[in-house]
Amino acid sequence: KQEVTQIPAALSVPEGENLVLNCSFTDSAIYNLQWFRQDPGKGLTSLLLIQSSQREQTSGRLNASLDKSSGRSTLYIAASQPGDSATYLCAAGAGGGADGLTFGKGTHLIIQP
Amino acid sequence: NAGVTQTPKFQVLKTGQSMTLQCAQDMNHEYMSWYRQDPGMGLRLIHYSVGAGITDQGEVPNGYNVSRSTTEDFPLRLLSAAPSQTSVYFCASRGLAGWSGELFFGEGSRLTVL
Repeated sequence: KQEVTQIPAALSVPEGENLVLNCSFTDSAIYNLQWFRQDPGKGLTSLLLIQSSQREQTSGRLNASLDKSSGRSTLYIAASQPGDSATYLCAAGAGGGADGLTFGKGTHLIIQP
Repeated sequence: NAGVTQTPKFQVLKTGQSMTLQCAQDMNHEYMSWYRQDPGMGLRLIHYSVGAGITDQGEVPNGYNVSRSTTEDFPLRLLSAAPSQTSVYFCASRGLAGWSGELFFGEGSRLTVL
């Protein structure tokens, strides 16, 4: 059974810093990996989707990488801003039966002004 | 762009009552699913559908019922509400065939069962 772990569970950094959020998964046979952002009391917003054949995806100040062989993905946030404060979740898509998606429990990020 | 729309946003039920959480998407997505999100448990899949007339169970289906009569709508029914069903429920949809598509979520429905 796929397990997805996100470390750290919480992170607080000053504004302007570059930071990395980590996501690890136990089964490397994934179709894709998706990063989401969740604001308090809101739904999940898709940030980046990396297909299994890709190594990374970029959107603005966000860059996500995928290393299937090591079972890891990272989300890099450049020049962090207070508006980046949210919970970030990763989900590994393994296909097959049911939804095929396994979610991590998220990293709660606070950017201090 | 409406995307995935869930109603109601908030609901309070008494134990034993039934209700339906509504979910509609306007992106012509074939795949739709329901999750519940609980503190410390993360997101767990309840039911999903790969197209009109086709539904299947996820990780935690007990106490819930679904149907998919149209591509746009995927309602979730609570048959006899229990306090353990107090949670935040999310509906999601995906467009591409297979498992490679991006998943889009609704804003959530917050349910309290007393």
